[in-house]
Amino acid sequence: QKEVEQNSGPLSVPEGAIASLNCTYSDRVSQSFFWYRQYSGKSPELIMSIYSNGDKEDGRFTAQLNKASQYVSLLIRDSQPSDSATYLCAVNIGQGAQKLVFGQGTRLTINP
Amino acid sequence: DAGVIQSPRHEVTEMGQEVTLRCKPISGHNSLFWYRQTMMRGLELLIYFNNNVPIDDSGMPEDRFSAKMPNASFSTLKIQPSEPRDSAVYFCASSPRGFPTDTQYFGPGTRLTVL
Repeated sequence: QKEVEQNSGPLSVPEGAIASLNCTYSDRVSQSFFWYRQYSGKSPELIMSIYSNGDKEDGRFTAQLNKASQYVSLLIRDSQPSDSATYLCAVNIGQGAQKLVFGQGTRLTINP
Repeated sequence: DAGVIQSPRHEVTEMGQEVTLRCKPISGHNSLFWYRQTMMRGLELLIYFNNNVPIDDSGMPEDRFSAKMPNASFSTLKIQPSEPRDSAVYFCASSPRGFPTDTQYFGPGTRLTVL
C-alpha cells in the first residue's frame, strides 16, 4: 500500500461547479496534512494545510480531515479555469518529523 | 522578498559526468529539503536538513548522490557519475522553524537531462 494515495484523474469539472479531490494515507500517527497546487512546468505551491479533524475553509477552498478513516479531501467551490492544475496531497510521516510524502497528484481541468 | 533560489534552471549533461545543483533557501529559514519529481515516481523527498545538519537521507537513491549544506544560505546536491535515469526535475524547498506543521516553500526547480 502506498503511503499517500490519490486518484490521478484527469478530473474534469465545468466552470462554476464544485471540484472534489480525495486522498488517503497509511500512517496513523500523521499529524499534518497539506494540499499543494502545481501548474504545468511550475513548482508546487501551498493551497491549504489542516491538522485537526473536521473542515477548514479559506475562500473558495475547503479542506476536510478524518483521521479515523485516514482520509483528507479538498473542495474547490465556484471552480474557475485558473484552477486547472495538478493538486498534490502531502502528509507528514513520522511523529515530530518534517518528512512529507506526496501523493501522485490529481490533474484537474475546469471547462469553461 | 526573494523566494528559494535554484541554479541552474536547466542542465543537460552526458552520462558519467558530474552534476551539481545549487540552492539558496529563504533567508531565516531553518530547514531545507531536496526533492526529485518524475512522471513515474512523482515528487519524492531525497534528503532534508535542520540547522545545516542532515536529518533524513533515506530517500537518496544511491551512493552516486550526495548533498551538503555548508551554511544556512547554501546547499548543493551532487550526482557523480550521472545516469540517464537521473533525468528529472529537482526541487529545493525551505521551511521556517523545523516544525512538522511548517509550510514548505519550493524553488523553481532544476530540470536535469542526462543523455
